[in-house]
Amino acid sequence: GQNIDQPTEMTATEGAIVQINCTYQTSGFNGLFWYQQHAGEAPTFLSYNVLDGLEEKGRFSSFLSRSKGYSYLLLKELQMKDSASYLCAVRPNTGFQKLVFGTGTRLLVSP
Amino acid sequence: ETGVTQTPRHLVMGMTNKKSLKCEQHLGHNAMYWYKQSAKKPLELMFVYSLEERVENNSVPSRFSPECPNSSHLFLHLHTLQPEDSALYLCASSQGTGLPEQYFGPGTRLTVT
Repeated sequence: GQNIDQPTEMTATEGAIVQINCTYQTSGFNGLFWYQQHAGEAPTFLSYNVLDGLEEKGRFSSFLSRSKGYSYLLLKELQMKDSASYLCAVRPNTGFQKLVFGTGTRLLVSP
Repeated sequence: ETGVTQTPRHLVMGMTNKKSLKCEQHLGHNAMYWYKQSAKKPLELMFVYSLEERVENNSVPSRFSPECPNSSHLFLHLHTLQPEDSALYLCASSQGTGLPEQYFGPGTRLTVT
């Protein structure tokens, strides 16, 4: 079966660093994605990991350990506009470019 | 228009109505997707089209009928829906080969009364 777990909600303060974890169990693995979704808006692509290690993109970094079925999204220098849901998604080996999503982590950044 | 657009943005329909959701992508992609997003549930993949052929149908009830007339347009035809079908319906597109990320439209908020 397919299972993606991430915390439901997190809070942090402006300027801080926050780490959002994601664990997965899927039938095969062909990449892990992080998306950001503001309330009422479309999910937007943040990062893609297919090999173990850290991918850095400005204030956002994403880490993957395939052997542990684990990823995290690291957000540095938090800003109020980072308040959003962060969706972890895994592409299994089955299905054409199919993505299996977690329920998302709602991040609230306070002043 | 840029990216992925969806119309209408909001739709209220009765259980006996027939309506259609429209999606258009302006990215030159060749794969398109329909997802359903319900409160407190993960995004659920409904249908996948690659080069205008349906390649994935995730056990979706027949009251949802997709149509992909060309690589830029995707429709979701709705008929005799149930109240539990109320959700945000998101369309996405991707390159199909090469870059794997999917680009999403803003969604249609559907309410079935």
